[in-house]
Amino acid sequence: AQTVTQSQPEMSVQEAETVTLSCTYDTSESDYYLFWYKQPPSRQMILVIRQEAYKQQNATENRFSVNFQKAAKSFSLKISDSQLGDAAMYFCAYNEGGADGLTFGKGTHLIIQP
Amino acid sequence: KAGVTQTPRYLIKTRGQQVTLSCSPISGHRSVSWYQQTPGQGLQFLFEYFSETQRNKGNFPGRFSGRQFSNSRSEMNVSTLELGDSALYLCASSLAGFGGTDTQYFGPGTRLTVL
Repeated sequence: AQTVTQSQPEMSVQEAETVTLSCTYDTSESDYYLFWYKQPPSRQMILVIRQEAYKQQNATENRFSVNFQKAAKSFSLKISDSQLGDAAMYFCAYNEGGADGLTFGKGTHLIIQP
Repeated sequence: KAGVTQTPRYLIKTRGQQVTLSCSPISGHRSVSWYQQTPGQGLQFLFEYFSETQRNKGNFPGRFSGRQFSNSRSEMNVSTLELGDSALYLCASSLAGFGGTDTQYFGPGTRLTVL
């Protein structure tokens, strides 16, 4: 079974600084998809960014970017110019496509210090 | 376009009872997935429905069931509730449910408390 590991239960960063959240995964597949979801205190899960494994180029969405290292099975999220609204739980997730559900990591609680 | 809606938002039940949760997907979305979120186990996939058919199911006992209607709305049912069923139940919808090729959009969740 695929597993997703987030080794940082909690991270803290000063407002306007850059922070990187780590994620590693285990799979024997060559084609798959990786995601970062954000869950603020409202509990609504929001997609931050997605990456297709067959694409070598790292995905970016405004202040959010990933460092996808396929051989190392690593998928980290970089948040630049951190804002107070970025405070949330961040979940890394994996999926192979098809009707399988997302496999989530345990999450990283991101604290933004004003 | 309206997002995914879930009703009710909060629910309190006692052990042994059964409960039904409802999810209305984004208009045009035909796939609905359900997840359970607990502090101990994290987020776990329950099942996925597409065109009224369950296509995949996670590792949960038979007490957990679901269905999907012709308008893509979905319900999940938990029978004979146990204390461990207390959780946030999240519903997600997507166009066709092809996993990563098709982004899942989540609803706000239903918080179930079993006493």
